[in-house]
Amino acid sequence: AQSVTQLDSQVPVFEEAPVELRCNYSSSVSVYLFWYVQYPNQGLQLLLKYLSGSTLVKGINGFEAEFNKSQTSFHLRKPSVHISDTAEYFCAVRLISGYSTLTFGKGTMLLVSP
Amino acid sequence: GAGVSQSPSNKVTEKGKDVELRCDPISGHTALYWYRQRLGQGLEFLIYFQGNSAPDKSGLPSDRFSAERTGESVSTLTIQRTQQEDSAVYLCASTAGTIESQFFGPGTRLTVL
Repeated sequence: AQSVTQLDSQVPVFEEAPVELRCNYSSSVSVYLFWYVQYPNQGLQLLLKYLSGSTLVKGINGFEAEFNKSQTSFHLRKPSVHISDTAEYFCAVRLISGYSTLTFGKGTMLLVSP
Repeated sequence: GAGVSQSPSNKVTEKGKDVELRCDPISGHTALYWYRQRLGQGLEFLIYFQGNSAPDKSGLPSDRFSAERTGESVSTLTIQRTQQEDSAVYLCASTAGTIESQFFGPGTRLTVL
């Protein structure tokens, strides 16, 4: 079975500051990795994903994440956040075989203040 | 439509009543998933459908939960004899292929009084 740990339930940050949201996973087999964002009262939107290839993945809205296999991590970063980035961020994994389901972390609430 | 749609957006019911939640996936998407998001928690997998294969029901929390899907279109999630712990946002997602991303609907917020 796979599991995902998001170490921070909440991350407060000032506008234009850099941010890193941490994600670690556990799996005995290879997985794909994802970050989703959920704005208030909305569904989940895909930010970025790692399937294979370059370990640095760029996504929408200026976010990027780096896959580190030895540390089983997939941390999300943005060099300069905006107020509009305030949302809940979910890290997820799924097996690379077939139509497997996503296993999610508990989420990190990013709070951007002026 | 362009995205996954779900109805109703909000449902308030009394304990013991049955509820039915609906999901319309993106046209052409062969796989459909149901997840549950309880307050302060991540998403829990409930069930998924892939083409004509038998659904994977391994995430359903009890026999009060069931789901159906007609071909590769609409799916309904039914919760019988609702309990207060069933209160959550129920999210539906669909995907076109094995390496494709899952696209999520806006969810149905269920409140059991």
